[in-house]
Amino acid sequence: DAKTTQPPSMDCAEGRAANLPCNHSTISGNEYVYWYRQIHSQGPQYIIHGLKNNETNEMASLIITEDRKSSTLILPHATLRDTAVYYCIVRMEYGNKLVFGAGTILRVKS
Amino acid sequence: NAGVMQNPRHLVRRRGQEARLRCSPMKGHSHVYWYRQLPEEGLKFMVYLQKENIIDESGMPKERFSAEFPKEGPSILRIQQVVRGDSAAYFCASSPPRGDTQYFGPGTRLTVL
Repeated sequence: DAKTTQPPSMDCAEGRAANLPCNHSTISGNEYVYWYRQIHSQGPQYIIHGLKNNETNEMASLIITEDRKSSTLILPHATLRDTAVYYCIVRMEYGNKLVFGAGTILRVKS
Repeated sequence: NAGVMQNPRHLVRRRGQEARLRCSPMKGHSHVYWYRQLPEEGLKFMVYLQKENIIDESGMPKERFSAEFPKEGPSILRIQQVVRGDSAAYFCASSPPRGDTQYFGPGTRLTVL
């Protein structure tokens, strides 16, 4: 699975959009971009995933660049409860293990 | 639809004892994964199982650790003769057939005294 690079931490004002970047320059054609988050010490929570088209669900939007070498997770209206570590992971959709990096610590501030 | 269940949520063992961690996957899910998170560290894959089969155990320590997912009942992660270094949060995830998106349970926090 391709390696990902994320900033170690970001701050966001409550109510504003949080834009979390991820670089995955070695991604291959059959690999998907997955996003998970871990709030405090809870179990990781699935957010969204995509292959090449932009995706949106009730939690977030995923924007993948045309060359697929980077992506951005967007939380449209961040709340204090969105404070968490966000992980960007590249894997085949029907692959097995998830390889977690250090992720981005997002702090939402009032 | 209930999520992934793990029990116990907290487990305290003395050095040399055995620890058994249980994971019940989401309904309809036949694939189970175990991950470990040591204090102040990231999540690391341990093992991937389907019913009655171990598919990938590349992340399992060579000794004292074993996992099973029987035809009936939950998946079990077993740690024999626990040591202080086994203290960690152990997370289970499940996915439907064909290994699609993994959904995680709340974890079991193991403390070895």
